[in-house]
Amino acid sequence: SQQGEEDPQALSIQEGENATMNCSYKTSINNLQWYRQNSGRGLVHLILIRSNEREKHSGRLRVTLDTSKKSSSLLITASRAADTASYFCATASSGAGSYQLTFGKGTKLSVIP
Amino acid sequence: NAGVTQTPKFQVLKTGQSMTLQCAQDMNHNSMYWYRQDPGMGLRLIYYSASEGTTDKGEVPNGYNVSRLNKREFSLRLESAAPSQTSVYFCASSDPGSGLYGQYFGPGTRLTVT
Repeated sequence: SQQGEEDPQALSIQEGENATMNCSYKTSINNLQWYRQNSGRGLVHLILIRSNEREKHSGRLRVTLDTSKKSSSLLITASRAADTASYFCATASSGAGSYQLTFGKGTKLSVIP
Repeated sequence: NAGVTQTPKFQVLKTGQSMTLQCAQDMNHNSMYWYRQDPGMGLRLIYYSASEGTTDKGEVPNGYNVSRLNKREFSLRLESAAPSQTSVYFCASSDPGSGLYGQYFGPGTRLTVT
């Protein structure tokens, strides 16, 4: 079953603009991760935020987590054409379940030069 | 480091044929995973191996078997392929026991069953 659900399903922006993607999930988590997938390629891990963290930064990426609302957002600032890809959130449950990630269906981001 | 490698990259099977997808990682990770990705869908976990010598079912294990050959290698076998198994298959590895929860993915195997 899908745990994370991304919103929007597709997003088209101009180069230089910021892109925001949202993820909602249903059950308690140990951590939440964001991945990028370029067309026809494997997924690349971008950033992980633990359940006791509220915000995390990595370069042009900013992730927030609201466990009370069971939601997360990924912000990409000053987007580039190379950011064009699908972005997936994935949740890891606590304990033994932390080995298993449950992925959402993804947001397809298009950055127009 | 090659990271996670998968073979083959592409495969076409007829219904009822069998095949094994191979995966290897050179990052000394303890945990390995097999996922499938269907159009418009996220990844769904088929099987995983938390450590060498153990394997567990994921969300969609029916029709598949796995073998954790050693710490580096984790194979996925389709005993009798069905058209519903047409998909892109990804192998991944991580090391949660060391606090490395992010997963590293291979390039995928595109499988078509006719």
